Amino acid sequence: GESVGLHLPTLSVQEGDNSIINCAYSNSASDYFIWYKQESGKGPQFIIDIRSNMDKRQGQRVTVLLNKTVKHLSLQIAATQPGDSAVYFCALRAAGNKLTFGGGTRVLVKP
Amino acid sequence: DGGITQSPKYLFRKEGQNVTLSCEQNLNHDAMYWYRQDPGQGLRLIYYSQIVNDFQKGDIAEGYSVSREKKESFPLTVTSAQKNPTAFYLCASSIDRISEAFFGQGTRLTVV
Repeated sequence: GESVGLHLPTLSVQEGDNSIINCAYSNSASDYFIWYKQESGKGPQFIIDIRSNMDKRQGQRVTVLLNKTVKHLSLQIAATQPGDSAVYFCALRAAGNKLTFGGGTRVLVKP
Repeated sequence: DGGITQSPKYLFRKEGQNVTLSCEQNLNHDAMYWYRQDPGQGLRLIYYSQIVNDFQKGDIAEGYSVSREKKESFPLTVTSAQKNPTAFYLCASSIDRISEAFFGQGTRLTVV
């Protein structure tokens, strides 16, 4: 089956610095990737997505990079703020509509 | 407002009882999903449905059942066969396979 993994379970970052969260996946047939943010006790919130025909996409303070050659996805958060403290998940779709999630990275922003 | 609603937010049940979690969406989405999340863990797919009257097992379907009789509704039943049912359950929907899934606020089920 598919596996989606994260390199770092916890990331501590100084307020104002940039954050980078990484995600590795195994299914080369994956064609759509999403990053979600989850705050304690709540459902995940969509941050940004990218299709497999792209290698970079930018949003407000966030950038997603996709390297299909090495099956690696990353989320960059610029000028990290206290409100960015949360757990971040990558998710991907391969066959049909099945949406699979990675294990999550907790981001702690230090003032 | 359009959205996806899960109810109740907290649910307590005695061991051996079946329990059904509600998930309703008014986004006109075809696809719906159920995930289980344990403390400090990621989301694991239980079941998903791509269209009305159709659903597929996810990665941890044992001990769970679903139905999709209406586009708006995708209830999840946690049966007594589920050995460790206490968890946070999340429902999601998406319009198609190249769009993000929108999540409800979750139901925290505690079995005692």
